[in-house]
Amino acid sequence: SQQGEEDPQALSIQEGENATMNCSYKTSINNLQWYRQNSGRGLVHLILIRSNEREKHSGRLRVTLDTSKKSSSLLITASRAADTASYFCATETSGSRLTFGEGTQLTVNP
Amino acid sequence: GAVVSQHPSWVICKSGTSVKIECRSLDFQATTMFWYRQFPKQSLMLMATSNEGSKATYEQGVEKDKFLINHASLTLSTLTVTSAHPEDSSFYICSATSGEGINEQFFGPGTRLTVL
Repeated sequence: SQQGEEDPQALSIQEGENATMNCSYKTSINNLQWYRQNSGRGLVHLILIRSNEREKHSGRLRVTLDTSKKSSSLLITASRAADTASYFCATETSGSRLTFGEGTQLTVNP
Repeated sequence: GAVVSQHPSWVICKSGTSVKIECRSLDFQATTMFWYRQFPKQSLMLMATSNEGSKATYEQGVEKDKFLINHASLTLSTLTVTSAHPEDSSFYICSATSGEGINEQFFGPGTRLTVL
């Protein structure tokens, strides 16, 4: 069964605004990863945060991880229309297995 | 970064036929490959994990006789959907890991299967 739950399921914002997506999980993890998927396409790896890390940045992306609450958030700052996509969190447990969350559909309106 | 390809990118077949999907790691040796299925507007569901030279490990509820996986070399894994039916229509995505470092998975572009 899917371990990750994401909210919101859908998010619509204006260009320039920030977008925040949340992910919760249930079991202990090695790391948590965020992926982006454009409609009908493959996945693009965005960022990985290890279980002993609390925050990580990459360009306009900021990821936090709270292992005590078993939750993570992805913040995209200064959003662009090209950021429109589905965003998935995935938790890695043993043997490199990834369990994906349900995803958040982000729409950035120009 | 590491590149994973899939072939074909899309396929349409008649009910009852078998379809083979290839997943290749182009610039690294993949000790482990994963196969996922994604239905429209849903998340990715792991189907099976395959290690080169050994039998695949299937997730609960995935029929191993229907979804045949062969990981014959360190750069190629194949998924064969046998006796496909319309309910098998889905987006199939593979990923590969080299087994080094933090075991990052590199994803292929996916294969859209439509069974008529």
